[in-house]
Amino acid sequence: TQLLEQSPQFLSIQEGENLTVYCNSSSVFSSLQWYRQEPGEGPVLLVTVVTGGEVKKLKRLTFQFGDARKDSSLHITAAQPGDTGLYLCAGARGGSNYKLTFGKGTLLTVNP
Amino acid sequence: SQTIHQWPATLVQPVGSPLSLECTVEGTSNPNLYWYRQAAGRGLQLLFYSVGIGQISSEVPQNLSASRPQDRQFILSSKKLLLSDSGFYLCAWKDGSGANVLTFGAGSRLTVL
Repeated sequence: TQLLEQSPQFLSIQEGENLTVYCNSSSVFSSLQWYRQEPGEGPVLLVTVVTGGEVKKLKRLTFQFGDARKDSSLHITAAQPGDTGLYLCAGARGGSNYKLTFGKGTLLTVNP
Repeated sequence: SQTIHQWPATLVQPVGSPLSLECTVEGTSNPNLYWYRQAAGRGLQLLFYSVGIGQISSEVPQNLSASRPQDRQFILSSKKLLLSDSGFYLCAWKDGSGANVLTFGAGSRLTVL
């Protein structure tokens, strides 16, 4: 059973378009993180959201945490080829044995 | 500043051979350490995590084992590799008492033939 479902799995768009990717779960998380991973490299953290309903902006990227802390979305405005990569969401359950559960990711390709 | 190193970056091994992947963290003490596996460039599966020297928790039954002989060293091993062990292995660390943020190494690509 996949705790975190990401959609779409694949997305190919043209430079300048807007897009939204989703991360959904039936479980409540104490926090949720978004990472971007480029081929052959480790994931790099983009943002952490903690509070239900929280919205965070990182330049052209807008992240939202659902009110019930079960889901999140990532919106990219005016996508650029440099945004190409695998976007992973990860939910945290906290505690001393801190573990992240990852979704399968959305593979985004932005064509010039 | 903290850094994480993983090696080797690429490894091609025959079925039945042993495996040792090493991960070290610098610039911090008593970190939480993690091994993840990523198949076909998709989601990450947590294999092992450790909150201290000699303390290893396994998430899934498998052909692999992990050890933490020193505070900032985490090793992933196998006595006999299977074809299904192929994948991209990622080590990560987190400040044991700080922010809940994982920092990943660059990964080790293992191909078992």
